[in-house]
Amino acid sequence: GAGVSQSPRYKVAKRGQDVALRCDPISGHVSLFWYQQALGQGPEFLTYFQNEAQLDKSGLPSDRFFAERPEGSVSTLKIQRTQQEDSAVYLCASSQGQKNEKLFFGSGTQLSVL
Amino acid sequence: AQKITQTQPGMFVQEKEAVTLDCTYDTSDPSYGLFWYKQPSSGEMIFLIYQGSYDQQNATEGRYSLNFQKARKSANLVISASQLGDSAMYFCAMREPPYSSASKIIFGSGTRLSIRP
Repeated sequence: GAGVSQSPRYKVAKRGQDVALRCDPISGHVSLFWYQQALGQGPEFLTYFQNEAQLDKSGLPSDRFFAERPEGSVSTLKIQRTQQEDSAVYLCASSQGQKNEKLFFGSGTQLSVL
Repeated sequence: AQKITQTQPGMFVQEKEAVTLDCTYDTSDPSYGLFWYKQPSSGEMIFLIYQGSYDQQNATEGRYSLNFQKARKSANLVISASQLGDSAMYFCAMREPPYSSASKIIFGSGTRLSIRP
């Protein structure tokens, strides 16, 4: 595709529900990042993939959060037993993989947990 | 842990004036990369400019330039001749050491810039 695509754009979940957020990076992009952004704040790092390898998951807030990228392309961020504090915008970004390269961001998924 | 600090939560600037957005970073590694991104109200993050720690010159991209002071660990973004469309959140970011494609990118808390007509 032309850009990074995230779905759904909006997700409302009841507390305790499981949710899955999808990220379709730009074709051929090796690197894929997930960030969590609270309203009025900067993006907080969650996890990072290079191809299918998850190189860093130090930002995942708890073991309720899980991310995968099994074929090195599409990635899914799963949140189990959602809590109200999980409400945020989840941003996905990709790049070709060079260290000095800019990230291309998707429009994000806005998750609201009621 | 590495850290990015943006001390200006919000700024108001008159249209056509220049504006400087502050960013300081904390790292003991000599090799790192710094980025600035813009986030309009639509939500999508847009890359503006990049500076490598070993780059000899300050980076420039059109109306954007980076005032890079390595000894002070600051990388301030300068926007010349501001326009109404520059109103947005601005984030400073750093690729953490060890500086490689395997390291994560962290962001500051941002500065909300509002341009007055």
